[in-house]
Amino acid sequence: GNSVTQMEGPVTLSEEAFLTINCTYTATGYPSLFWYVQYPGEGLQLLLKATKADDKGSNKGFEATYRKETTSFHLEKGSVQVSDSAVYFCALTGGGNKLTFGTGTQLKVEL
Amino acid sequence: GAVVSQHPSWVICKSGTSVKIECRSLDFQATTMFWYRQFPKQSLMLMATSNEGSKATYEQGVEKDKFLINHASLTLSTLTVTSAHPEDSSFYICSARDWGDEQFFGPGTRLTVL
Repeated sequence: GNSVTQMEGPVTLSEEAFLTINCTYTATGYPSLFWYVQYPGEGLQLLLKATKADDKGSNKGFEATYRKETTSFHLEKGSVQVSDSAVYFCALTGGGNKLTFGTGTQLKVEL
Repeated sequence: GAVVSQHPSWVICKSGTSVKIECRSLDFQATTMFWYRQFPKQSLMLMATSNEGSKATYEQGVEKDKFLINHASLTLSTLTVTSAHPEDSSFYICSARDWGDEQFFGPGTRLTVL
């Protein structure tokens, strides 16, 4: 079946540092890939997505590239802010638009 | 736009009682709603998918008689945990989808069964 593996947290960074959160997946066919973000006390929000190989999703300074050869979709941001502190979930959809999630990575950004 | 609410946000109940959790799409019509369960430091696990006016489709291993799902309108779905036991304690999250393919998530409900 489908599965998503992402790095364990928490990840603690200083403001303006470079962020990478690794995500790899296992899936049959050609899944769509997503990053969701969950701020404290709120529901998951779609951050970005990519629907086919070599697509790059981007939003709010975050980027992730769909790499079929390495089955990866790593999340990056060049300069994080305190307001980026949240839990980040990597996910994919296979058939039927069902989402399969990773375990989530907590990001803490400090001044 | 695309706001989904859940009620209650936190509930404690005694073992053997039933608990109902509501999921509402506040500013759109949800043709499909999803219910997830999340254990600490684990993934969100899809429990069931419900379409308005029809029976829910449960994932393998989820007891449909224990987790009753009703999707009676385009803006409301309910999850009832029947005869709850401590092992049912968890974080329950719903999401809703309109005619597109993006799911919009509620903030979750923390259930603690004593």
